[in-house]
Amino acid sequence: KQEVTQIPAALSVPEGENLVLNCSFTDSAIYNLQWFRQDPGKGLTSLLLIQSSQREQTSGRLNASLDKSSGRSTLYIAASQPGDSATYLCAVAYTTSGTYKYIFGTGTRLKVLA
Amino acid sequence: NAGVTQTPKFRILKIGQSMTLQCTQDMNHNYMYWYRQDPGMGLKLIYYSVGAGITDKGEVPNGYNVSRSTTEDFPLRLELAAPSQTSVYFCASRRTEVSGRIGYGYTFGSGTRLTVV
Repeated sequence: KQEVTQIPAALSVPEGENLVLNCSFTDSAIYNLQWFRQDPGKGLTSLLLIQSSQREQTSGRLNASLDKSSGRSTLYIAASQPGDSATYLCAVAYTTSGTYKYIFGTGTRLKVLA
Repeated sequence: NAGVTQTPKFRILKIGQSMTLQCTQDMNHNYMYWYRQDPGMGLKLIYYSVGAGITDKGEVPNGYNVSRSTTEDFPLRLELAAPSQTSVYFCASRRTEVSGRIGYGYTFGSGTRLTVV
């Protein structure tokens, strides 16, 4: 059964620091992987989607990498800002019954200090 | 283009009451999903649908029912509400994948915060 783990569970960094969030999954047979941002009391906003054939995706200050063989993805945030404070969720798409569904990690709560 | 719309945003139910959480999307997505999110936990799949008229159970379907009579709407029904169903409920949708090549990600609604007392 696919399991998704995110470490650390919480992280505080000073403004301007570059940081890496980690996501591990147990079954490398994934369809794709999606990173989300969730602000307190809000829904999930999609940040980046990496197909299983890709190694990385970039959007602005965000870069997500995927290493299927080791069961790992990282989300790199450059020059962090207080507005980046949120919970970051990793979701792995696993194939089932001819299609795919996502299983979610429990998230990393990020706080960027001004 | 509103995306995925969920109503209501908040609701308090008494034990034993029933209610329907509404979800509608205007992106013509075939796939729709209901998740619940408990504090400190990841999202758990309740039910999903691969198209109008087709639904299937996820990880935690007990106490819930769904229907999918149209492509746009995917309501979640709670029968005989229990305190264990206190949670935040999210609806999501996605496009059909290009088989073996391109898989599309989820678009989420803003959630319904439900408290059962």
